[in-house]
Amino acid sequence: GQQVMQIPQYQHVQEGEDFTTYCNSSTTLSNIQWYKQRPGGHPVFLIQLVKSGEVKKQKRLTFQFGEAKKNSSLHITATQTTDVGTYFCAGPRGNQFYFGTGTSLTVIP
Amino acid sequence: DGGITQSPKYLFRKEGQNVTLSCEQNLNHDAMYWYRQDPGQGLRLIYYSQIVNDFQKGDIAEGYSVSREKKESFPLTVTSAQKNPTAFYLCASSMGGAGGLFQYFGAGTRLSVL
Repeated sequence: GQQVMQIPQYQHVQEGEDFTTYCNSSTTLSNIQWYKQRPGGHPVFLIQLVKSGEVKKQKRLTFQFGEAKKNSSLHITATQTTDVGTYFCAGPRGNQFYFGTGTSLTVIP
Repeated sequence: DGGITQSPKYLFRKEGQNVTLSCEQNLNHDAMYWYRQDPGQGLRLIYYSQIVNDFQKGDIAEGYSVSREKKESFPLTVTSAQKNPTAFYLCASSMGGAGGLFQYFGAGTRLSVL
């Protein structure tokens, strides 16, 4: 069945360094979504990508959807302590969403 | 304020006991979902419902049951058949199916076994 894998599982960065997480699907996705979960909190929707090769930016966050619509990435420029949390990608499967395993980001002040 | 309310925030279950987690939304969303999250893990789908009086099993439905008698409510019962229930349970909703819509999540319920 469809699987969505994310790497890395954990990432520690010094504040000010960049961060990237990658999401890979075994099947083509109609769209991909990204969520952020702060420690002790619940996932919050960040963005949805729909088109092949799409790139979207939210301030220091850049989201990309691969040309084949099977992979995606989230890049954070110049991380801040407020970026701490786990970032999940999610792809649709029928009427369900299938979440990646997440990348936990720690930012060292 | 529109949103999803989960209660209780913390819940303790005794051996052999069934417990019910509440999830209510006032977003007028058709679809609702229950996920289980274990420490350091992703979200695994337990059950989902696209419309009232209809629901489908997710990947880990064994030991759980749900009902969808009202559009706003989607309670989850963790039965005694679920031998390892300790986890963080998240309820979510979306306007429709997963085709093009994102999910809103509740604040979650942390379930522990006494």
